Amino acid sequence: GAVVSQHPSWVICKSGTSVKIECRSLDFQATTMFWYRQFPKQSLMLMATSNEGSKATYEQGVEKDKFLINHASLTLSTLTVTSAHPEDSSFYICSAPPPGLNIQYFGAGTRLSVL
Amino acid sequence: AQTVTQSQPEMSVQEAETVTLSCTYDTSESDYYLFWYKQPPSRQMILVIRQEAYKQQNATENRFSVNFQKAAKSFSLKISDSQLGDAAMYFCAYRTMNRDDKIIFGKGTRLHILP
Repeated sequence: GAVVSQHPSWVICKSGTSVKIECRSLDFQATTMFWYRQFPKQSLMLMATSNEGSKATYEQGVEKDKFLINHASLTLSTLTVTSAHPEDSSFYICSAPPPGLNIQYFGAGTRLSVL
Repeated sequence: AQTVTQSQPEMSVQEAETVTLSCTYDTSESDYYLFWYKQPPSRQMILVIRQEAYKQQNATENRFSVNFQKAAKSFSLKISDSQLGDAAMYFCAYRTMNRDDKIIFGKGTRLHILP
């Protein structure tokens, strides 16, 4: 079945550095991908919609300059957390809808820990 | 704006028993999709069941079934013959008919299975 791969699964970085998270659709093309953030014991909060070949659409309250999204190909979207701070520590999940199916497949998530 | 409400933060059920998780939603759309997702400790989001709003018949998937009440905007999940592996966070979710639209999640219900 369709799979969405997310990498890395866990990353630890120092405060002030940037971290890139990749989301790949392994066997289908995705013109749209979604990035979510999940705090412990909470629900998924949509951060932005990644659109292939155009700018991402950010949800209200999400800093565009801090969370850079690039959807350069039909199988890859990246989320870069710039100048990370401890409050950016969270679980980040991506998802993508495969063509012809009214569902979304989710990546396994990335745990970001900023020291 | 569409919203999804899960009023039960936590629930417990004895192994082999039946449990029902509640979900209500609000939308002005007449056609849409509703989903139940499971998030086990691994945090991988797993689609449990989905319902198309234009279908009156309640969706079923093995031990999982829904009670979809469109007029009441209610979408509950029934788990029969509960198993230890069912222990997880369960999220009710909504999406418009647009395949590339975002999924809106409820806050989740943590389900405990008692041996």
